[in-house]
Amino acid sequence: DAKTTQPPSMDCAEGRAANLPCNHSTISGNEYVYWYRQIHSQGPQYIIHGLKNNETNEMASLIITEDRKSSTLILPHATLRDTAVYYCIVRRPNNNAGNMLTFGGGTRLMVKP
Amino acid sequence: NAGVTQTPKFQVLKTGQSMTLQCAQDMNHEYMSWYRQDPGMGLRLIHYSVGAGITDQGEVPNGYNVSRSTTEDFPLRLLSAAPSQTSVYFCASSRTGRSAGNTIYFGEGSWLTVV
Repeated sequence: DAKTTQPPSMDCAEGRAANLPCNHSTISGNEYVYWYRQIHSQGPQYIIHGLKNNETNEMASLIITEDRKSSTLILPHATLRDTAVYYCIVRRPNNNAGNMLTFGGGTRLMVKP
Repeated sequence: NAGVTQTPKFQVLKTGQSMTLQCAQDMNHEYMSWYRQDPGMGLRLIHYSVGAGITDQGEVPNGYNVSRSTTEDFPLRLLSAAPSQTSVYFCASSRTGRSAGNTIYFGEGSWLTVV
């Protein structure tokens, strides 16, 4: 599975959009981009995933560049409860390893009042 | 709707002791896995299972055993606890990975300290 690079930390003002970047320049054609987050002392939580088209759900939007080498997770109106570590993960849907996720360092998002 | 349930939530062990972390899911998921998370780091895969009776090693399997006798349960055994196994342990489950949208669900974690 391709490796990802994320900034270690970001701040965002409450109510503003949080834009979290992820670089995955070695992504291959059948690999999806997944985002998970981990709120302090809790298990990781699925947010969104995509292949090449932009995706939106009730939690966030995912923008993937045309060359698929990078993506951005957008939380449109960040709240204090969105303070967490956000992980960008790239993998094949059937990676023959029990859906294994390879976690990098993630981005620690701090939403401030 | 219980999801993925882990027990115990907190445990202190002495070096050399053995114990089992329990994991159960009620979603009839084929895939189950165990991760550990050390302070300030991402999760690392210990062992995983793609179905009852089938297990395999992940990235950091040494010192741990698993079994999968039923679809619902996937216990993690520490054979002889060492201080290096002090960590937070997460169990996860999902449906078969053939669909990209199969969400992976995580338990709330088990905090283990080995002294």
